[in-house]
Amino acid sequence: DADVTQTPRNRITKTGKRIMLECSQTKGHDRMYWYRQDPGLGLRLIYYSFDVKDINKGEISDGYSVSRQAQAKFSLSLESAIPNQTALYFCATSDPAGEVDTQYFGPGTRLTVL
Amino acid sequence: AQSVAQPEDQVNVAEGNPLTVKCTYSVSGNPYLFWYVQYPNRGLQFLLKYITGDNLVKGSYGFEAEFNKSQTSFHLKKPSALVSDSALYFCAVSPKPTGRRALTFGSGTRLQVQP
Repeated sequence: DADVTQTPRNRITKTGKRIMLECSQTKGHDRMYWYRQDPGLGLRLIYYSFDVKDINKGEISDGYSVSRQAQAKFSLSLESAIPNQTALYFCATSDPAGEVDTQYFGPGTRLTVL
Repeated sequence: AQSVAQPEDQVNVAEGNPLTVKCTYSVSGNPYLFWYVQYPNRGLQFLLKYITGDNLVKGSYGFEAEFNKSQTSFHLKKPSALVSDSALYFCAVSPKPTGRRALTFGSGTRLQVQP
């Protein structure tokens, strides 16, 4: 979905480096999410934010931190990258208006930690 | 805790044949159910969702899904597969109402449609 953008699209880094992945959206949604995708494991939730001042840990938050700089921006940081954080990372947004929270995904960031 | 199971890592089907991608779920209370599709090098795209009402839900690209409460299943179906349907499909669940919960995704099923 072009309304949700992620930068960078690909990144190769070394163990111990600090990495930031950025997500921006023009959909005007309050809710934003970070997932990682690993083969055979599907998508697992890292962090989610229901508004600028509301940030929550997901099922695999260890080793990650986030920052919600504005309604439209949600960044994911790896303070000290390790090889098992090599994965495809997705940002998503949703709008709680209405009955159901359909999520809209960005194109993903492929991160390789050597 | 909520969970989703997609028992097949891969489904192979010939073009023109009907396809089914299976999904079962576990959630407290009534569920919201979703199917998403991921094409190569792309993010996930929303296909369809079940909220309430008719058990047969119609979505994008000719896909439909059947909600079966007694079997806690939400299988994705299409009457006639196309080669272009080849992709990775994810089922997801959320309890009703969503409140402060996020979606839980299954592990994904790769659909391969052969010409």
